Amino acid sequence: LAKTTQPISMDSYEGQEVNITCSHNNIATNDYITWYQQFPSQGPRFIIQGYKTKVTNEVASLFIPADRKSSTLSLPRVSLSDTAVYYCLVGGSSASKIIFGSGTRLSIRP
Amino acid sequence: NAGVTQTPKFQVLKTGQSMTLQCAQDMNHEYMSWYRQDPGMGLRLIHYSVGAGITDQGEVPNGYNVSRSTTEDFPLRLLSAAPSQTSVYFCASSREYGARDTQYFGPGTRLTVL
Repeated sequence: LAKTTQPISMDSYEGQEVNITCSHNNIATNDYITWYQQFPSQGPRFIIQGYKTKVTNEVASLFIPADRKSSTLSLPRVSLSDTAVYYCLVGGSSASKIIFGSGTRLSIRP
Repeated sequence: NAGVTQTPKFQVLKTGQSMTLQCAQDMNHEYMSWYRQDPGMGLRLIHYSVGAGITDQGEVPNGYNVSRSTTEDFPLRLLSAAPSQTSVYFCASSREYGARDTQYFGPGTRLTVL
């Protein structure tokens, strides 16, 4: 599993777009980038996954530049309910240890 | 499907006691794992299993044992509880091992060791 670096915390306001960047300089060719969201007192849940360029679903977008050494999770028009910890994972099908790291604690204010 | 279930939800132990945290999944997933999460911290991997009969250590295995006799169940045993093991414990499963597969988490067990 590639080592990842993401901000410890971020603050934003309702209605804003929030972008959380994850650095993964030693990403391997077969690695995918996956983001999870964890609400207080709950286990993490899958948000989005991508390999290159841009992926969008009903919850978020994931932007991956050509060199794939970083990725950005974009949450459009956040609400108070988006307050959570967001984890970036980078790895492929051969990674047997799934290491989550510390994540980014996102706080949304009214 | 119930998904990943964990019992108990809450547990208080005295130092030196032993107990087993239960985890079960009904999705026929091969990969299962245990994490602990201390207050305000991220998840740390304790043990994992890539299939029935196969287990291995994660980042923080000391003080914990696991076994995987069936595909569905992956219990975590605390051998002699210590206050440092006070934490929330999450069990997770995925169809196959690997970071590409989606991890499904249980609701967690909140453990306090006095």
